Amino acid sequence: DGGITQSPKYLFRKEGQNVTLSCEQNLNHDAMYWYRQDPGQGLRLIYYSQIVNDFQKGDIAEGYSVSREKKESFPLTVTSAQKNPTAFYLCASSIPVNTGELFFGEGSRLTVL
Amino acid sequence: ILNVEQSPQSLHVQEGDSTNFTCSFPSSNFYALHWYRWETAKSPEALFVMTLNGDEKKKGRISATLNTKEGYSYLYIKGSQPEDSATYLCAFNQAGTALIFGKGTTLSVSS
Repeated sequence: DGGITQSPKYLFRKEGQNVTLSCEQNLNHDAMYWYRQDPGQGLRLIYYSQIVNDFQKGDIAEGYSVSREKKESFPLTVTSAQKNPTAFYLCASSIPVNTGELFFGEGSRLTVL
Repeated sequence: ILNVEQSPQSLHVQEGDSTNFTCSFPSSNFYALHWYRWETAKSPEALFVMTLNGDEKKKGRISATLNTKEGYSYLYIKGSQPEDSATYLCAFNQAGTALIFGKGTTLSVSS
């Protein structure tokens, strides 16, 4: 089945540790996105990538890093510099960029202990 | 900072009721307006993508309208069913920018 796979679904991290959330898509979409959701908030954009080897910061990129070495993969690293990393993270993809509907993964919930 | 406002934040209706939600967005440099449905424990799914002023889209009992000049969109659900219970997200973007999401409207339908 075509879709977006995020892993892990749940992740616990100690303060000071970096963690990487995986996002893989087999939809052959050019654009991929990472969003963060906090209680009572809308989805906020962390990073997005329109093409392989290129990505742009979203509204809340501080403390996060991404890479886009392959079209189908867009991993997100939550670094120790992210002051409040406990949240629900959603990955999405689309074609074409900015006008096409987003296809979402099921999300990853990160909890910092 | 661009902002997308959705109202109401939540509502509870009885099965068979019709309801509507509002999404407000900046009217300048409009590019596209999206509606998504997000059911508990599932991924958000697109309902509509609208790009033209005056657009009206329909999918079954759900429809949406768009007014880009005044910066609002309405989502209508006719004859609500329990399976319509979900959070409905509105998102907007200007040319060359990524989507900005509202906080959503959470609908609960009782049978």
